Amino acid sequence: EAQVTQNPRYLITVTGKKLTVTCSQNMNHEYMSWYRQDPGLGLRQIYYSMNVEVTDKGDVPEGYKVSRKEKRNFPLILESPSPNQTSLYFCASSWTAVGAQYFGPGTRLLVL
Amino acid sequence: AQKVTQAQTEISVVEKEDVTLDCVYETRDTTYYLFWYKQPPSGELVFLIRRNSFDEQNEISGRYSWNFQKSTSSFNFTITASQVVDSAVYFCALTPVPYNQGGKLIFGQGTELSVKP
Repeated sequence: EAQVTQNPRYLITVTGKKLTVTCSQNMNHEYMSWYRQDPGLGLRQIYYSMNVEVTDKGDVPEGYKVSRKEKRNFPLILESPSPNQTSLYFCASSWTAVGAQYFGPGTRLLVL
Repeated sequence: AQKVTQAQTEISVVEKEDVTLDCVYETRDTTYYLFWYKQPPSGELVFLIRRNSFDEQNEISGRYSWNFQKSTSSFNFTITASQVVDSAVYFCALTPVPYNQGGKLIFGQGTELSVKP
């Protein structure tokens, strides 16, 4: 089944404790992205990647890191999480730069 | 600046009513793509439609239709004879095309549609 998977689905952590949210897609897509969803703000792009080792900042990159060492994986790293990073995070992938993006199930993060 | 505005935060209708969700966008690019996504209460995001800036034909898919008007920078979404299963948050989104921004997707704030039996 073609899909985007994220782990973990739910995470509670404390300020300053490094964490990684994994994202993997099995559709051989070139493009991958991370978004955060907050009430009243819709979805905002954090980072996106056009290919292996090629990434660029989205609209809200501060406090996040990404890497794309393999085509299928695009982990999101929070080196020192803060409470304002409490949010619902989505990973997505697409065939082309302008193609429909297919989303993972989301990761709900709470930073205390 | 590129921006997508969905002015309707919440809409409530009774089943079988028609409902239109508004989407207005801003971009200086001459080429761009517009999208609609659905987020049901279960939380996943489901792709509904993609439209490029050169194609202003209206699109119909079952009870769903989309009206793209470049002159007013709008890409509205109509659900005919709404059903309870249509209850969801609907997002309009924009992808600009220069390729150095490939993969960039700008979302509106979303419209929460509630269809009551």
